Amino acid sequence: GDSVTQMEGPVTLSEEAFLTINCTYTATGYPSLFWYVQYPGEGLQLLLKATKADDKGSNKGFEATYRKETTSFHLEKGSVQVSDSAVYFCALSDQGGADGLTFGKGTHLIIQP
Amino acid sequence: SAVISQKPSRDICQRGTSLTIQCQVDSQVTMMFWYRQQPGQSLTLIATANQGSEATYESGFVIDKFPISRPNLTFSTLTVSNMSPEDSSIYLCSAGETSAGVFGSGTQLSVL
Repeated sequence: GDSVTQMEGPVTLSEEAFLTINCTYTATGYPSLFWYVQYPGEGLQLLLKATKADDKGSNKGFEATYRKETTSFHLEKGSVQVSDSAVYFCALSDQGGADGLTFGKGTHLIIQP
Repeated sequence: SAVISQKPSRDICQRGTSLTIQCQVDSQVTMMFWYRQQPGQSLTLIATANQGSEATYESGFVIDKFPISRPNLTFSTLTVSNMSPEDSSIYLCSAGETSAGVFGSGTQLSVL
């Protein structure tokens, strides 16, 4: 079945550091890929998405590129802020979005001033 | 995008009892899903709530334990039946035109 593997945290960085959170996937078809974020005390929010190979999703300074050859969707940000501290989940949806999401375990990101 | 109201936000229940969680969306949506997030774990899909028909359950989840209703395009309920401490989790609903919809704020369930 489908699965998502992402680096486990916590990941601790200083403000303005470069961020990479790795995510790889296994899927039977051609999935859509997502990053969700959960800020402290808040619900899960869609951060960005990509629906086909080589697509780049971007939002709030975060980017991720759908790499079919390496089955990866790594999340990057050039300069993180304290306000980026949150739990980040990589997820995929197979069957053209008709199925529910398969999530990775989540990465807790802590940004120190 | 749609806004979801999920309630209760938390509850503490005795083993053997049942709890029904409600998910109300402020607009009609095609798809609604129910997830479980066990302590320290990721989100796991329980089922797809189908409007006017029986829910579609994922492997490891059965209707007798997690009955789901979806009477219309804006509302769904999940019941956790005959609860045990292993059911202590956060339960979340999601809604949208595809699976990548918005999420409710979750129901934190503790079973004693």
